[in-house]
Amino acid sequence: EPEVTQTPSHQVTQMGQEVILRCVPISNHLYFYWYRQILGQKVEFLVSFYNNEISEKSEIFDDQFSVERPDGSNFTLKIRSTKLEDSAMYFCAIGTGSSPLHFGNGTRLTVT
Amino acid sequence: AQRVTQPEKLLSVFKGAPVELKCNYSYSGSPELFWYVQYSRQRLQLLLRHISRESIKGFTADLNKGETSFHLKKPFAQEEDSAMYYCALSPVSGGYNKLIFGAGTRLAVHP
Repeated sequence: EPEVTQTPSHQVTQMGQEVILRCVPISNHLYFYWYRQILGQKVEFLVSFYNNEISEKSEIFDDQFSVERPDGSNFTLKIRSTKLEDSAMYFCAIGTGSSPLHFGNGTRLTVT
Repeated sequence: AQRVTQPEKLLSVFKGAPVELKCNYSYSGSPELFWYVQYSRQRLQLLLRHISRESIKGFTADLNKGETSFHLKKPFAQEEDSAMYYCALSPVSGGYNKLIFGAGTRLAVHP
């Protein structure tokens, strides 16, 4: 199974601060995704990224969120001005477009 | 609307008992269905996909298009099966496989 490493494993930040969550896929997969899971709730799709651009995003993925893959390796999710309700587990996932997704271990984001 | 429903939040059984985790979906086309498992403090891992028709760790799942269900079954539960189980749907599309998850069912297998 492809390795997907997410850093940090836990991030604590103050409301209004910017955070960057990182995903390092150890593979040549072309499709990248971010999902989040608020405590006690279901895993929700945020955004998919292919060929260096967003291919689809959910209504959760508003202007506060952005994604990029600046160096062709790391895939990042940036939250510009965090809110309390952004506290969640954020999962990166990779895929080939015709195979199941492989998930990272997640980053727990706590906004205080 | 695309939706995955897992009606049970918690399923508690004794070791050796049969297990059925329910999953129903709502989708107008022909989706791909998956089961993912999340053991304590670990990542979401693919358990099954309906098109492969294989049995993993003794689990099977059959897609019933008439009932729009994809229930996960195991004839004899083991303690190590205790985990969160998520049913997920992927709309068949051109190149990407965004997943829509159910709320998950926690399976607790007691000795």
